[in-house]
Parts: sequence; structure tokens; C-alpha cells
Amino acid sequence: NAGVTQTPKFRILKIGQSMTLQCTQDMNHNYMYWYRQDPGMGLKLIYYSVGAGITDKGEVPNGYNVSRSTTEDFPLRLELAAPSQTSVYFCASSYAVNTEAFFGQGTRLTVV
Amino acid sequence: GESVGLHLPTLSVQEGDNSIINCAYSNSASDYFIWYKQESGKGPQFIIDIRSNMDKRQGQRVTVLLNKTVKHLSLQIAATQPGDSAVYFCAENQGSASKIIFGSGTRLSIRP
Repeated sequence: NAGVTQTPKFRILKIGQSMTLQCTQDMNHNYMYWYRQDPGMGLKLIYYSVGAGITDKGEVPNGYNVSRSTTEDFPLRLELAAPSQTSVYFCASSYAVNTEAFFGQGTRLTVV
Repeated sequence: GESVGLHLPTLSVQEGDNSIINCAYSNSASDYFIWYKQESGKGPQFIIDIRSNMDKRQGQRVTVLLNKTVKHLSLQIAATQPGDSAVYFCAENQGSASKIIFGSGTRLSIRP
């Protein structure tokens, strides 16, 4: 099993550009999460999903959108990139909310 | 609780000594708690978890203690090794909200 796979690993965006961060998991987990981690800081929850077709906002959802059309995929969309969105983005999945979450290796995004 | 906007505190421990990392959580309705380890450039990795109906749980070289009265969680690492150097995060499932929220982390540094 590959676990949680994120692409791309690195990306540089110009202000105002848009992009989609991809996340896929092969563990048939219902729960998926997107977090951002600023340098030297903790993880902040952006959006999460409890199953295909269901998404909800986390702590810092502004400037992002998500969709969950399948169990496996949970892409994160940035529509108008801003320097404040420079961060490392982590996707995670879990079988249930009270079981361990498995994390991807992260996407390092720089907005200039 | 979380210290928004502050950088991670550091705990420096002599190799071979025991380490104790503390975490205060905010939501008294939280019923599931997890400790994660994050090495440089990697995603968080699960260490140990505990449910709110317990006050102590032991793993291999690690023990988690939960004090619901004061909303405090601690991670004890026995005989700390160089490979334990990392940032450690506590996380909580905030009750019925179906989401995992991370607390502020602690950087563990090992002195030879």
C-alpha cells in the first residue's frame, strides 16, 4: 500500500495564480483532512471530509476549496494565491475520527 | 492550549534520560487524544493515543497520561535516544465535531 500520496512535492506560484494540491489514499479511509504548517509552527486544519460527498470547514478555510467525489481523493484548491498561503500542506486520512491519522509527505508551496 | 503566532518551545534532554512533553487541550468535550512525532521534512507520524475513559496508556518506551480535570496531556519517553529528536504534537478529537485539532508542538533536542 502506498498510504497517503500528495502531489506535487514542491510548487512556486505567483500571486493571483490558482492551483490544485492532489491527495489520494489507498486505505479505503472515510476521513480525510488538509492541514497547513507554517515554518516553525503547528498544524492548522483547513478542511476535512467524513466521506465521499461530504466536506466541512476547519480552523483556517479562507482562500481554499475542497471536493470529495471519491473515497480515495481529496484535492485542495487555491483560487487566488496570496503570499500568506506560503506554507507546507499536509493531507491525512483515518478510518474513523477516533483512530490514528496517516499523513502524506507534504507539499511545500511558495507564493511570490 | 495553542499559542497562535509563537514558535515552538524546545525541550533539551540528556541522552538516556527520560523526557516529559506536556500539552494543554482546550475542549472538555474531546474524547480522543493522539501524540504525533514529526521529523524534519516529513509528515507527522503516530506515536500513541488515549481515549477519555483512560488516564494512562503505555507503549514501547512511551507513556501517555491524561488528566481530564485540568485538561492536560503528557508524553513520557523513557531512555531518550538521538532518534527521538523531533517535534512532538498532541492532537484532540473535539467531541462530535469529527475533526482532529492539533495543539502547539514541542521540539525535543537530545544532548549527547
